[in-house]
Amino acid sequence: AQTVTQSQPEMSVQEAETVTLSCTYDTSESDYYLFWYKQPPSRQMILVIRQEAYKQQNATENRFSVNFQKAAKSFSLKISDSQLGDAAMYFCAYRSFRSGNTPLVFGKGTRLSVIA
Amino acid sequence: GAVVSQHPSRVICKSGTSVKIECRSLDFQATTMFWYRQFPKKSLMLMATSNEGSKATYEQGVEKDKFLINHASLTLSTLTVTSAHPEDSSFYICSAKTARDRGYEQYFGPGTRLTVT
Repeated sequence: AQTVTQSQPEMSVQEAETVTLSCTYDTSESDYYLFWYKQPPSRQMILVIRQEAYKQQNATENRFSVNFQKAAKSFSLKISDSQLGDAAMYFCAYRSFRSGNTPLVFGKGTRLSVIA
Repeated sequence: GAVVSQHPSRVICKSGTSVKIECRSLDFQATTMFWYRQFPKKSLMLMATSNEGSKATYEQGVEKDKFLINHASLTLSTLTVTSAHPEDSSFYICSAKTARDRGYEQYFGPGTRLTVT
């Protein structure tokens, strides 16, 4: 079974600075998807960024980018120019490529605080 | 597009009663829906996976007779908590996906906070 590990329960960053959230995963599969989700105080899950494992290029979405290291099974999220609205729980997630019915496997989350 | 709604957003019920939570995909057909439970400051725990027209597949440790899941149509899934107890108090989140895309996207509802008194 696949597992996702987020080793940082809490992180903080100064506004306008850059922060990196760590995520590692364990799988025997070669094809899969990786995601970062944001859960603000409203508790609505918001997709931040996704990465297909077969793509070598790291995904980017505006201020959000990932460092995907397939061999190391590492998938970190970098947030640049941090804003107060970035404060939230961040979950790293994995999905198998095998079947459309496979659910997301979540890490335990990292709570990010942004300091004004 | 790809909006998932949940109703109610908050519900308080008395111990021993049953409560139903609805999850609807508003602008797409959800071939698969997932139900999660989230404790305060914790991650999402998958409870079950349901496919339209078939029985739900429950995760280990989840009582299927207590958490009844029905996915009768491509836009609606329901979770019924039967004979609720205070320990069932939690935040319940549904998520839906369609077979239309490549299969990587899961769309989340806003969640339902259940309090059992």
